[in-house]
Amino acid sequence: EAQVTQNPRYLITVTGKKLTVTCSQNMNHEYMSWYRQDPGLGLRQIYYSMNVEVTDKGDVPEGYKVSRKEKRNFPLILESPSPNQTSLYFCASSLERQSEAFFGQGTRLTVV
Amino acid sequence: QKEVEQNSGPLSVPEGAIASLNCTYSDRGSQSFFWYRQYSGKSPELIMFIYSNGDKEDGRFTAQLNKASQYVSLLIRDSQPSDSATYLCAVNTGGFKTIFGAGTRLFVKA
Repeated sequence: EAQVTQNPRYLITVTGKKLTVTCSQNMNHEYMSWYRQDPGLGLRQIYYSMNVEVTDKGDVPEGYKVSRKEKRNFPLILESPSPNQTSLYFCASSLERQSEAFFGQGTRLTVV
Repeated sequence: QKEVEQNSGPLSVPEGAIASLNCTYSDRGSQSFFWYRQYSGKSPELIMFIYSNGDKEDGRFTAQLNKASQYVSLLIRDSQPSDSATYLCAVNTGGFKTIFGAGTRLFVKA
């Protein structure tokens, strides 16, 4: 089954404690993105990757890091999480940059 | 700042009626347009995409694009209670960024 898998689904952490949210896709897609979704603001792009070892900032990259060492994986790293990063996070992949996005199940992160 | 604007709603329609969802975008260079449906607590899923001016129909759904007016819409015919969700308009400007609107909440009353 074609899918994008995120882990964990839910995470509560404390300010400053480094965390990683994993994302993996099995569709051999080149293009992957991370979004955060906040009430009233919709989905905002954090980072995207066009292929292995090629990443770039989206609209809200501050406080986040990503890596793309393998085509299927695109982890999101919060080196020092803060409460304003409490949000619902989605990973997505696309066959190419202008095609539809397939989304993971989402990760609800709470930073206290 | 490139923007995609949607009325947040809620838009309430009776079962069997036509629901009309609208979206405007600011970047005239935008090339591809998508409508996603998102149920509460779930991830977005693609409903329709459209690249060219005019109408595109798929079952009960019709996407309409007017690039001159920078306007894209989604019509849902014979609305069902299961259509109740938030509908996200997304626009790709030709680069690697896709910009999403904040979404319109639709309620279909049985």
